[in-house]
Amino acid sequence: EEHLVGSGGGLVQPGGSLRLSCAASGFTLSNYAINWVRQAPGKGLEWVSYISSTGSTTFYADSVKGRFTISRDNAKNSVYLQMRSLRAEDTAVYFCARGWAHPDYFDLWGQGSLVTVSS
Amino acid sequence: ESVLTQSPGTLTLSPGDRATLSCRASQFVSSNKLAWYQQKPGQAPRLLIYGASSRATDIPDRFSGSGSGTDFTLTINRLEPEDFAVYYCQQYGSSVLTFGGGTTVQIK
Repeated sequence: EEHLVGSGGGLVQPGGSLRLSCAASGFTLSNYAINWVRQAPGKGLEWVSYISSTGSTTFYADSVKGRFTISRDNAKNSVYLQMRSLRAEDTAVYFCARGWAHPDYFDLWGQGSLVTVSS
Repeated sequence: ESVLTQSPGTLTLSPGDRATLSCRASQFVSSNKLAWYQQKPGQAPRLLIYGASSRATDIPDRFSGSGSGTDFTLTINRLEPEDFAVYYCQQYGSSVLTFGGGTTVQIK
């Protein structure tokens, strides 16, 4: 069975940094693009970032551009989201989600990692 | 950026009823690139429909999608207890992906 497993969430102070990871099982991650989508508490979904299957192409939402960096290590079957200069409004559950290209729909989602930005 | 407006915000129905959910886009959705997701509390979203009307793998046929251009509909026939959840639409016809605000389908 195919799964995406997210990890790395936690509590961080405003201005701090955190790195999220997304690992794949049951399929070859290097065949797919991966996105990050976040959901603030009690709110809707917001697309955050995209990385192509090879890692050569990335896109970001304006709200995180210049602060977040998406990357991948296909040898480790993993994708990462490095988050810097975190703000209170970045508080959310972060989901990794599988796609094929950009833009695209997402056919498989990870379980989500909670990031709380607070002093 | 295409803004997606979902209505109603909340739908209160009984098992066995039909649910009709609307998603209206502020801009034309290219090639009907519109998806629907179901989300239950504490869980990740699950893909139901893509391309406005194609069911995703293992999705029961009581779920159907329709529409084109700027107006799209998700219909759930004969609601089952496990169908009470929040539903989101998403457009992927433009480079800035956007989601609707969601419709909650709750039990009467």
